[in-house]
Amino acid sequence: ETVLTQSPGTLSLSPGERATLSCRASQTVTSNSLAWYQQKPGQAPRLLIYGASNRATGIPDRFSGSGSGTDFTLTITRLEPEDFAVYYCQQFGRSPPMGSPPVTFGQGTRLEIK
Amino acid sequence: QVQLQESGPGLVKPSQTLSLTCSVSGGSISRGGNYWNWIRQHPGKGLEWIGYIYYSGRTYYNPSLKSRLTISVDTSKNQISLNVTSVTAADTAVYYCARDLSGRGYFDSWGQGTLVTVSS
Repeated sequence: ETVLTQSPGTLSLSPGERATLSCRASQTVTSNSLAWYQQKPGQAPRLLIYGASNRATGIPDRFSGSGSGTDFTLTITRLEPEDFAVYYCQQFGRSPPMGSPPVTFGQGTRLEIK
Repeated sequence: QVQLQESGPGLVKPSQTLSLTCSVSGGSISRGGNYWNWIRQHPGKGLEWIGYIYYSGRTYYNPSLKSRLTISVDTSKNQISLNVTSVTAADTAVYYCARDLSGRGYFDSWGQGTLVTVSS
């Protein structure tokens, strides 16, 4: 199973600052198979980034994704009050090892207001 | 704009079967290329992928749950269903249905989720 480890667990920043969230995979993830989601309390996750660096429809350009192989990053420039939430990375493997799911999520990074 | 809506009992007794339905509106569930997924989130925890179904009926389940899972599709009603047998407290979670638009393994549309509690 491809394990995704996100860091930090919690990130405390102020509006207007830049946030850098990390997602590290236990094995190589093809770049077009890494996505990022935002989840606010009581809501379903919302797709932000797919294919490691492509913004989903309607996502502001202050959100950007980068990385390849086993290291991926979500960057949020100029934090807005509505950006404080939990962020998850997710990978998809077309041919996972026997007994492993094709889809796994990271454990999440909580972005909180400082 | 496709919309997904989960429905089903909020309380299930241990050892019984959890049954949920996801109704899809604003688009046909039979549209080629779309994969319809179930994902769950234990209270205060992260996300766990359960499985998917294609409109043809082809399924792929999480191996850790496979022996207890059935996902089915009803194209006439534009719905997908999830059955989990022999539930325990560990199956208590918010259950989401979500669409993978193109089979590339990311989820662009989600239902609002439904909380299922397993308790006697």
